[in-house]
Amino acid sequence: DAGVTQSPTHLIKTRGQQVTLRCSPKSGHDTVSWYQQALGQGPQFIFQYYEEEERQRGNFPDRFSGHQFPNYSSELNVNALLLGDSALYLCASSLVSGGRYYEQYFGPGTRLTVT
Amino acid sequence: AQTVTQSQPEMSVQEAETVTLSCTYDTSESDYYLFWYKQPPSRQMILVIRQEAYKQQNATENRFSVNFQKAAKSFSLKISDSQLGDAAMYFCAYRSPYSYTGANSKLTFGKGITLSVRP
Repeated sequence: DAGVTQSPTHLIKTRGQQVTLRCSPKSGHDTVSWYQQALGQGPQFIFQYYEEEERQRGNFPDRFSGHQFPNYSSELNVNALLLGDSALYLCASSLVSGGRYYEQYFGPGTRLTVT
Repeated sequence: AQTVTQSQPEMSVQEAETVTLSCTYDTSESDYYLFWYKQPPSRQMILVIRQEAYKQQNATENRFSVNFQKAAKSFSLKISDSQLGDAAMYFCAYRSPYSYTGANSKLTFGKGITLSVRP
């Protein structure tokens, strides 16, 4: 049973460029959340996708956008990259069923460096 | 909005000894979930233990246990018989059980604590 997978593992971009990060949820999961983790800090919630819609959003600018596909996989897009966007981007998947809580499982993350 | 505070940036423990990691949180909700996650250098965030606020009994998972003090809004993690593999960054996290969207709500993390284990 594959866990949460993310690609690519590492990425180097230049200021002003755009980047797309990808996440495949754990088998059976239908919800994907994205977090940004700056070096030495705790993860910060970016947004969550469920039923192909953005359901919740953290305090991040519109430069951060996402998408969820019918197979539940998800993409995180960041436009007009800033140096401050350099971070580890974590994807977490979970299952929603009747409002009941199910564990969030995290992927290994994508390390984005903006130069 | 909920906040999670981990005021100790680093801790060290001798192998086989016991260590306690502290966490406090602030919320106006009466029902919620609390977690401790472990993040080793491999970056994979691993769930260590969780606690439901409505349960008075402290959660335990093998060598890991929590001291949940709801009135004080305190949630500490005790690691017994520390092993070299316990060395990692540990994060305390909060989650509401409810979401107006019907989806699971976000996790709010503390800044983390780096635990080193001395052989």
